[in-house]
Amino acid sequence: DSGVTQTPKHLITATGQRVTLRCSPRSGDLSVYWYQQSLDQGLQFLIQYYNGEERAKGNILERFSAQQFPDLHSELNLSSLELGDSALYFCASSVRSGMSYNEQFFGPGTRLTVL
Amino acid sequence: AQSVAQPEDQVNVAEGNPLTVKCTYSVSGNPYLFWYVQYPNRGLQFLLKYITGDNLVKGSYGFEAEFNKSQTSFHLKKPSALVSDSALYFCAVRDRDGQNFVFGPGTRLSVLP
Repeated sequence: DSGVTQTPKHLITATGQRVTLRCSPRSGDLSVYWYQQSLDQGLQFLIQYYNGEERAKGNILERFSAQQFPDLHSELNLSSLELGDSALYFCASSVRSGMSYNEQFFGPGTRLTVL
Repeated sequence: AQSVAQPEDQVNVAEGNPLTVKCTYSVSGNPYLFWYVQYPNRGLQFLLKYITGDNLVKGSYGFEAEFNKSQTSFHLKKPSALVSDSALYFCAVRDRDGQNFVFGPGTRLSVLP
């Protein structure tokens, strides 16, 4: 158990809908990362937050947004969902300093199915 | 732009034999390099990383990796494979500006008893 929690575990929704995925980092970790894992795209880095501020941005679509709250939990919002958004979404956290060489601890993931 | 290649989709090795999972990268400047492992229906687990210094990095579960700057490689190795090492292995690179974090496509390792 990495100490990173994600809810829900599974999510089934329809095209055009909006969903919110939630992540609680390990106790004391200030950085949160979001990833998308799909069969055709592999593991894609979406975005990183550090202590409430956006720190780095990867291949995140404009339909997707994220934020990190004062209690350090984070939410990933996916809107106008398309069939191709079906994937496993991982959250990860890393230790306090936020340096880019810190290893990350991954949650169990949320499996999103868009019908 | 950064990129990571793992040239083998699948590596098969007999239990007790040495294993190598290959990774090459492309990044401007000096990289931070990582190996992660993913077991079925689980999130990724950190194995080891290279930041600077000694080119041979030792990590969890007896794994090690060698950083080769001239060949831009960071191959994962283990002297004696276990059946329980069977999993999906990801190599990842981050540049020192820390603006992106790129994973390779993954290599599925099967250790046969």
